[in-house]
Parts: sequence; C-alpha cells; structure tokens
Amino acid sequence: KQEVTQIPAALSVPEGENLVLNCSFTDSAIYNLQWFRQDPGKGLTSLLLIQSSQREQTSGRLNASLDKSSGRSTLYIAASQPGDSATYLCAVMGSGGGADGLTFGKGTHLIIQP
Amino acid sequence: DAGVTQSPTHLIKTRGQQVTLRCSPISGHKSVSWYQQVLGQGPQFIFQYYEKEERGRGNFPDRFSARQFPNYSSELNVNALLLGDSALYLCASSLGASSTDTQYFGPGTRLTVL
Repeated sequence: KQEVTQIPAALSVPEGENLVLNCSFTDSAIYNLQWFRQDPGKGLTSLLLIQSSQREQTSGRLNASLDKSSGRSTLYIAASQPGDSATYLCAVMGSGGGADGLTFGKGTHLIIQP
Repeated sequence: DAGVTQSPTHLIKTRGQQVTLRCSPISGHKSVSWYQQVLGQGPQFIFQYYEKEERGRGNFPDRFSARQFPNYSSELNVNALLLGDSALYLCASSLGASSTDTQYFGPGTRLTVL
C-alpha cells in the first residue's frame, strides 16, 4: 500500500527566504506526482505535475523535483511571500492510474511572516 | 471558463441520516473523482467515474455510493451517517481516466454530522 509522508508538518519563515518542502513515498511504481496548495477551508489548487519520466517542473517561483528511484520529491519556493502561506500537499498516482486515485500526504502547513 | 463546481457548500446532518453531494466537472471533462478530507489529514480517494462507469473505488464502506450522469456531472451519496463522516468532500475532474490527465479540484462540500 502506497504511503506518502511530508516533512516538515509545519514551517514558519520570514518573508523573502527560499525554502524546501519534502515529500517521500514508499512505492516507486508511480505514474506521476503532483503538488497542490490548499488555503484554509478551501479546495485544492494544482501547482505542478511531474510525470514519472520527468525529473523536475518549474512554474514561476516554484520548482519541483522527482527522484522516483529513491521515492522522493521536493518543492522549492524562491523568495517567499506572505501570500504563499497555505498548506502544501504532495500526491502520487500509482500504477493503477486514475482508478486508484491519488494518494496524498498530510501536508506541510506553511506560514510566511511579513 | 468555470472550474469544478460543487453543491452545497456546507451541510449539517444528524447521525443516521442520508446525504447527497453534487459535482459538475469542467466542460469537456469526462472523469470525476471523489475524495474525503478529514481535518488535519490529506484527502482520501473514494471513487473514480469515467464515461458513467465506476472505474475505481477506495477503502470506504458500502454506505458510500456514487453515480455519473450523461452530462458527466456526479453525485456522491452517503447513507446511515456517522460522526466520523464529518469532513470536507472534494470532487476532482479530468479530461479522461489516463494517468497523464491532471485532476482539477472543486472547492469542496463541508459536511458536519451531529
């Protein structure tokens, strides 16, 4: 059974810092890995999708990497802003594809101090 | 273009009652998935429907059921509600059921069971 772990569970940093969020998964037989952002009480916003054949994806100040063999992904946020405050969720799609759904971690709760 | 829409936004029920949640996918999307997110946890996969057929089911009891209509909208039904069913229920749509299809999430329905 696939398990996804996110470290740290919570993080508070001053505005302007670069930071790294970590995600690990137990079964390397994945199709893709996705990073989401969730604001309090809201739905999920997709940030980056990395297919299993890719090593990284970039969007603006965000960069996500994937090392499938070691079961790890990182989300790098450059020049953090107070608007980046949210919970960041990592999710993998396993070998069963969409029929197995996404397996999520518990998230990293990020606070950017002005 | 409208994103994924869900109704109602909030719902309060008592134990033993039944509830129906609704989801309208992004126009052109043929796949809908349902997730349950308990406070402080990542979302858990409940169902995937594609072309009106159930394609996948997570580890949820038979009290949970769903269906997809010809216009690709979907309903999630939960019978005999328990206190533990209190959660944010998220709907996600994708173009198809392929592992390469990004899932786009709606804002969710907050269910409270008293």
